[in-house]
Amino acid sequence: NAGVTQTPKFQVLKTGQSMTLQCAQDMNHEYMSWYRQDPGMGLRLIHYSVGAGITDQGEVPNGYNVSRSTTEDFPLRLLSAAPSQTSVYFCASSSPQMAGNEQFFGPGTRLTVL
Amino acid sequence: KQEVTQIPAALSVPEGENLVLNCSFTDSAIYNLQWFRQDPGKGLTSLLLIQSSQREQTSGRLNASLDKSSGRSTLYIAASQPGDSATYLCAVSGNTPLVFGKGTRLSVIA
Repeated sequence: NAGVTQTPKFQVLKTGQSMTLQCAQDMNHEYMSWYRQDPGMGLRLIHYSVGAGITDQGEVPNGYNVSRSTTEDFPLRLLSAAPSQTSVYFCASSSPQMAGNEQFFGPGTRLTVL
Repeated sequence: KQEVTQIPAALSVPEGENLVLNCSFTDSAIYNLQWFRQDPGKGLTSLLLIQSSQREQTSGRLNASLDKSSGRSTLYIAASQPGDSATYLCAVSGNTPLVFGKGTRLSVIA
């Protein structure tokens, strides 16, 4: 049981490039979320999904795109990278079927945009 | 909009001390509250989860309490050790996934 996995661990992009951060979970969790963590700002919600085919925006969705075609995967797409998107990105999953809907986090992707 | 505040932002204590970390939130309509630990450059490790119907949870030397009506939670760490040094994050869930506080950076000095 690998839990929540994220790839890549590190990435450097140039301004204007696009890329996809991958997130997968093998716990059959319905809910998945993406957060970014910035110094002094804490973790902020980007997008989330309550099931395959359903996504919604969080606090800071601009510049990011998501889709949820399977229960296991929830990729985060940067459409045209900007230096302001330099951050550490965390993916999380949970199930309302479990007591408390506890969220489990992946190890993170550290992204630098030059 | 839910806001979560953690006080203090940083704390330094000698080894062996008992300590309390504080978390407050503005909207009492929460589903649960989670405490996490984060080591430098690492991911989040879930420490304790308190459901909205519960008042406290315990795990080893850690005890977390929840007072929904006043919008407060505390994380009590007994007999602190240098290995407890980390950032501790409080987060609440309601209609959306977690809203995080900015954390308390704890240093336990040997």
